[in-house]
Amino acid sequence: NAGVMQNPRHLVRRRGQEARLRCSPMKGHSHVYWYRQLPEEGLKFMVYLQKENIIDESGMPKERFSAEFPKEGPSILRIQQVVRGDSAAYFCASSPLGGEVGEQYFGPGTRLTVT
Amino acid sequence: QQQVKQSPQSLIVQKGGISIINCAYENTAFDYFPWYQQFPGKGPALLIAIRPDVSEKKEGRFTISFNKSAKQFSLHIMDSQPGDSATYFCAASMMSGNQFYFGTGTSLTVIP
Repeated sequence: NAGVMQNPRHLVRRRGQEARLRCSPMKGHSHVYWYRQLPEEGLKFMVYLQKENIIDESGMPKERFSAEFPKEGPSILRIQQVVRGDSAAYFCASSPLGGEVGEQYFGPGTRLTVT
Repeated sequence: QQQVKQSPQSLIVQKGGISIINCAYENTAFDYFPWYQQFPGKGPALLIAIRPDVSEKKEGRFTISFNKSAKQFSLHIMDSQPGDSATYFCAASMMSGNQFYFGTGTSLTVIP
């Protein structure tokens, strides 16, 4: 039973480039959450998606960040025109259909470094 | 603002000792309080969780104590082992909500 998968695990981008982070939820899970972890800080919620729908994006920066969870394929967090402040670990979590918030299972994260 | 405050930032404990990590929250609507364990390079893994209808929950060497009136909860690790060395995060959420609010983490080191 594979867990939540994220790729790439490490991503280096120059300022101004685009970063695409992918998340494949656990089998049977249809809810995806994205969190960002800055150095020395806890995780901060960014966005909650179900298949083809954004349910809650209250934690997403208003500009440059977007997320999707298509009917087929992984969820993607996209950061356009990256800046040094975007350097962080980005974690994806998934939960089953109808599950409670407590059932979020986290992936290993993507560590983004902006040079 | 930080919805969940966690202390200490770091903790060093001798093998066999008790590790205690504390968290406090403000939002009385929170009704689910999990603790996560994170090893370097890994994602957070659920360790133990409690709901406010009980004051204590124990799973093996891990115990959550919950004080609803003080809006505080803590994680106790009994007989701490070097393998427990990790970063621990408390969190809070509303079961009807979509997200966790995480504390800033405690780096635990258990010395052999």
